[in-house]
Amino acid sequence: KAGVTQTPRYLIKTRGQQVTLSCSPISGHRSVSWYQQTPGQGLQFLFEYFSETQRNKGNFPGRFSGRQFSNSRSEMNVSTLELGDSALYLCASSPDGGQAFFGQGTRLTVV
Amino acid sequence: AQSVTQPDIHITVSEGASLELRCNYSYGATPYLFWYVQSPGQGLQLLLKYFSGDTLVQGIKGFEAEFKRSQSSFNLRKPSVHWSDAAEYFCAVGARSGGGADGLTFGKGTHLIIQP
Repeated sequence: KAGVTQTPRYLIKTRGQQVTLSCSPISGHRSVSWYQQTPGQGLQFLFEYFSETQRNKGNFPGRFSGRQFSNSRSEMNVSTLELGDSALYLCASSPDGGQAFFGQGTRLTVV
Repeated sequence: AQSVTQPDIHITVSEGASLELRCNYSYGATPYLFWYVQSPGQGLQLLLKYFSGDTLVQGIKGFEAEFKRSQSSFNLRKPSVHWSDAAEYFCAVGARSGGGADGLTFGKGTHLIIQP
């Protein structure tokens, strides 16, 4: 069974740009969550989607958004990038009631 | 609000020695607790989880953890570490059973160094 796939693995963007990250969950998993990992703040929960609906949201500004498609694949978007958005973005999927499986992450660098 | 504290930022252990990583949590209801491991450049791998029942839980790679409600702790242990155990370890508390990834709160992590 394929694991959680995140694309791209690495990304460099300029301040003010926007970026879209993608996450393909494990087949059959309907819950997808996103986390931001930085050296200073550690791992912080962004939001969770289940069956195309945002079910839970962390404490991040509105520049961070996401969506989930009918096949459970999810994207997150960050608009008007700031230097502080540089981080490892992790996606996790679960069957909702099962173990959370994390992808390898997307390393975003904002210059 | 829920929170997780991992008091040790770095721990150095000799190969073959025993290991204990500390985790304290704050949570308003019955906590669901997890330990994850992260190797450089990798995502998080679940080592073990506690939902209810036996307070000593066994995980993968020879790890175990003990839930102590009176101390609000969930310490991770391994009787004999291997060089491949060098990694970052995260304790987390969640609001939903089964390890669902909605709203896990993580500690800051403990960096484990293994000395030959």
